Amino acid sequence: TQLLEQSPQFLSIQEGENLTVYCNSSSVFSSLQWYRQEPGEGPVLLVTVVTGGEVKKLKRLTFQFGDARKDSSLHITAAQPGDTGLYLCAAPRGYNKLIFGAGTRLAVHP
Amino acid sequence: NAGVTQTPKFRILKIGQSMTLQCTQDMNHNYMYWYRQDPGMGLKLIYYSVGAGITDKGEVPNGYNVSRSTTEDFPLRLELAAPSQTSVYFCASSRTGRGEKLFFGSGTQLSVL
Repeated sequence: TQLLEQSPQFLSIQEGENLTVYCNSSSVFSSLQWYRQEPGEGPVLLVTVVTGGEVKKLKRLTFQFGDARKDSSLHITAAQPGDTGLYLCAAPRGYNKLIFGAGTRLAVHP
Repeated sequence: NAGVTQTPKFRILKIGQSMTLQCTQDMNHNYMYWYRQDPGMGLKLIYYSVGAGITDKGEVPNGYNVSRSTTEDFPLRLELAAPSQTSVYFCASSRTGRGEKLFFGSGTQLSVL
């Protein structure tokens, strides 16, 4: 059982489409991170959200932390092939550990 | 900017063999982590360290051992390799814990046959 549930598991879209992926939990977190991982590489941090209801924008990517700090979403506007990758959410568990969801694998076709 | 360096990138082991996955970081980070990534399962924490001489178990520590004799190095030892240990292994570091940004290496793809 995953503490962080990500949906959808896979997403295949055409260039220019919009999409939203989700990260849900029954637990409350002090913060939540989103990483992107490309094939053959380690994950790279995109953003950290820390306040319930917080919205952060990174160019065409919009991240939202739920009011209750149990869930988060990532919205991509006008997706491009360069957005292709595995999107992982992560949250602290205890003082020293960071746990990850299973990820959403996104493919954007030209 | 080296960051987190892992070696080797690929390795094939026979059942019962042992090996050490190397990880070194040049950012003077106190916290270091070992994760494994199985298809469709995300990243699972194997072991972590909060500083030289201090290590602790993560979610899936069985079959692995670690040591942290220096701030820079955090090797992961597999004893008596089993097919269930076939995975991609990632080492990561952060300045502090508490959900701070993790810097990852590029991974070691291990197959146990």
